[in-house]
Amino acid sequence: GENVEQHPSTLSVQEGDSAVIKCTYSDSASNYFPWYKQELGKRPQLIIDIRSNVGEKKDQRIAVTLNKTAKHFSLHITETQPEDSAVYFCAASKGGITGGGNKLTFGTGTQLKVEL
Amino acid sequence: DGGITQSPKYLFRKEGQNVTLSCEQNLNHDAMYWYRQDPGQGLRLIYYSQIVNDFQKGDIAEGYSVSREKKESFPLTVTSAQKNPTAFYLCASSAYGTRRNQPQHFGDGTRLSIL
Repeated sequence: GENVEQHPSTLSVQEGDSAVIKCTYSDSASNYFPWYKQELGKRPQLIIDIRSNVGEKKDQRIAVTLNKTAKHFSLHITETQPEDSAVYFCAASKGGITGGGNKLTFGTGTQLKVEL
Repeated sequence: DGGITQSPKYLFRKEGQNVTLSCEQNLNHDAMYWYRQDPGQGLRLIYYSQIVNDFQKGDIAEGYSVSREKKESFPLTVTSAQKNPTAFYLCASSAYGTRRNQPQHFGDGTRLSIL
């Protein structure tokens, strides 16, 4: 089955700096890669996702890049703010009926701390 | 994602007891999922359902059971066979895409502990 590895497990940055979280996946058939943000004790919230037909996607201060050849994808957060402090999870999935019906395999999470 | 409601928020299980966690959604989503979250291990898939009256085992289904009698409901039973049930349980739903994945949205979770 799919295996997703995520690094680093913890990341501390100064406010205003950039943060980068990296994930690798094992199944070359995976074609959908969402990122979730989870604040302490709360639900994971989808912040951005990318499909395998594009190499990069941006949404304001957040961007995700995908390298299908190397089977890795990364989350980039620019101009970090204290409210960005949370746990971030990457995930991978194959699409459609033959892909197992939307099943997500998650990485183990990155605790991001933005210090003042 | 106010359209997915999990209850209760906290649940305590006694030795040998089965407990049922509720998950209801009003998003008209076909697919629903149950995940278990343990510290440092991310989210692991327990069961998922793509359509009413059908469900499949995920990666860690042993000791759990589910039903999908209605589109909006996907309850999870933690049986006495699950020897380490203490965890945060998250329910999610998505539109079902036959050709491409649809985003999953989560409920607020149920925290289960052993008495």
